Amino acid sequence: GNSVTQMEGPVTLSEEAFLTINCTYTATGYPSLFWYVQYPGEGLQLLLKATKADDKGSNKGFEATYRKETTSFHLEKGSVQVSDSAVYFCALSDRSGGGADGLTFGKGTHLIIQP
Amino acid sequence: DAGITQSPRHKVTETGTPVTLRCHQTENHRYMYWYRQDPGHGLRLIHYSYGVKDTDKGEVSDGYSVSRSKTEDFLLTLESATSSQTSVYFCAISESGSHTEAFFGQGTRLTVV
Repeated sequence: GNSVTQMEGPVTLSEEAFLTINCTYTATGYPSLFWYVQYPGEGLQLLLKATKADDKGSNKGFEATYRKETTSFHLEKGSVQVSDSAVYFCALSDRSGGGADGLTFGKGTHLIIQP
Repeated sequence: DAGITQSPRHKVTETGTPVTLRCHQTENHRYMYWYRQDPGHGLRLIHYSYGVKDTDKGEVSDGYSVSRSKTEDFLLTLESATSSQTSVYFCAISESGSHTEAFFGQGTRLTVV
């Protein structure tokens, strides 16, 4: 079946530090890959996505590249801000095996940025 | 913001009672989903719908049922609530299925005592 593995936190960084959150996946077919972000007390919001190998998704200074050879989709940002503090979820969508529609999520990484 | 409203936002209920959570959308999206969020598990799919009266099971569907009689409403029912169903429940919608962007509601925190 499908699964997503991401580093669990909390991850604590200082403002302006470089961020990497690792994400690897297992899928039977050719999934689409996503990063969603959840701010306290809110639902999830799409941060970025990639639909095929070597695609790079980017938004708000965050980037992730779909690496089929390493089954990875690591999230990076060059200089984090306090406002980036949130929980980040890596997720995939893969219907090639005829399974349920819907996203498969990792457990989430709690990111804390200190001033 | 996508027009998704979940109700109620908070509920405390007793073990063995039925509970219904409502998701209402104003976006006319075809797909609607119910997820639960638990510490250490991320979000897990309970049920989803791909049209009026068209629903299917997700990863953790035992003890839950759903109904969709109108495009805009997707109901999740806990037939006989148990303490293991204490969770935060999120509704999501998407236009064309999960390979496209999903928009999430603000969640319903359910406590079963």
